[in-house]
Amino acid sequence: DIVMTQSPDSLAVSLGERATINCKSSQSVLYSSNNKNYLGWFQQKPGQPPKLLIYWASTRESGVPDRFSGSGSGTDFTLTISSLQAEDVAVYYCHQYYSSPSSFGQGTKLEIK
Amino acid sequence: EVQLVESGGGLVRPGGSLRLSCSASGFIFNSYNMNWVRQAPGKGLEWVSSISSSTTYIYYADSVKGRFTISRDNANNSLYLQMNSLRAEDTAVYYCARDQYFDCWGQGTLVTVSS
Repeated sequence: DIVMTQSPDSLAVSLGERATINCKSSQSVLYSSNNKNYLGWFQQKPGQPPKLLIYWASTRESGVPDRFSGSGSGTDFTLTISSLQAEDVAVYYCHQYYSSPSSFGQGTKLEIK
Repeated sequence: EVQLVESGGGLVRPGGSLRLSCSASGFIFNSYNMNWVRQAPGKGLEWVSSISSSTTYIYYADSVKGRFTISRDNANNSLYLQMNSLRAEDTAVYYCARDQYFDCWGQGTLVTVSS
């Protein structure tokens, strides 16, 4: 089974500053036949279901602000929020869909400093 | 508009059973794989089960294997999770989610297992 590990567990960033969340998978989630990383990022606000932000490691879901970006390949991935807004306070999860069982990271709680 | 609506949650005694439903609308349901994900109170996301569009492939988390059964009714745009032999640790909000990317989620239904 693939284990997803996020860092840090929590993060406080000033408004307008950059926020960076890391995710490491215990094995590669890069599928060589199509050169796609089977890695997504979710945002979850209190009392709401998770919302897909990024899939294929770097493709932004429709309607997601361009301050959100994903990068990385293989086993190491990053979600970057280029200029933190108040509405970005949430818990963020990475997710691999390369193999079953699908698995999520433990979550990173993002707050305003 | 793509929409998923879960129902069927509630309070159940340990050892009891519940059947969750997920009603889908706004997309061609029989073209998509579907999933169940749960979230215990104050905890992270845990994948529970997946079913392919034509039910050819079905997968379960080890924590629910042998106790939970996923199924779907493509004629009625519905996904189900039959949960038997429930334990306290199954207490969670249960979400249905669409496709391999989990690109659309319902609002969830709360299952509480307690005596």
